[in-house]
Amino acid sequence: EVQLVESGGGLVQPGGSLRLSCAASGFTFSSYWMHWVRQAPGKGLVWVSRINSDGSSTSYADSVKGRFTISRDNAKNTLYLQMNSLRAEDTAVYYCARRDYWGQGTLVTVSS
Amino acid sequence: QPVLTQSSSASASLGSSVKLTCTLSSGHSSYIIAWHQQQPGKAPRYLMKLEGSGSYNKGSGVPDRFSGSSSGADRYLTISNLQSEDEADYYCETWDSNTRVFGGGTKLTVL
Repeated sequence: EVQLVESGGGLVQPGGSLRLSCAASGFTFSSYWMHWVRQAPGKGLVWVSRINSDGSSTSYADSVKGRFTISRDNAKNTLYLQMNSLRAEDTAVYYCARRDYWGQGTLVTVSS
Repeated sequence: QPVLTQSSSASASLGSSVKLTCTLSSGHSSYIIAWHQQQPGKAPRYLMKLEGSGSYNKGSGVPDRFSGSSSGADRYLTISNLQSEDEADYYCETWDSNTRVFGGGTKLTVL
């Protein structure tokens, strides 16, 4: 069974940093491109970032470019999102996702 | 980059059928899309991948009541024999090598 389990969310002050993790199991993690997608309270889904299967290529939404970094450790079956210079508008549930599976999400709240 | 347009809301009666629409922007009518369901308070769930030809492949465990079809730039999700648990937000999505793009979502109410 495919499982994606996010962790690392929480309350952080504007300008602060947070690192999200996503533990993958039930499939060959190293064969799949992976994504982060977020959802602000009461709003729709917004793609944040993606990484290819070996980690050599990444892409970001304009809203997070230069502040967020996606990475992966295929030996640990884990996806990461390093978030720096956080803003109030980054407040959202962050989902780790394959093309066809989603994690349960982790809430990031940016507030003073 | 493609844009996906969805109606903000839809409603249908228990046991009936409903057809939700996702429209691709000009110049992107051949794109493959995916449909996702998000029940209240839950994470999204992948439903299916849908091609411009109307061919679709459903995700694991998706009931037979869910089907897809296409016409030009329009992609459809049809839910038959509506159940109360089908009340949810439905998002369409497309992608290229660098990004994923989501529609604004349709909130389906089961009456």
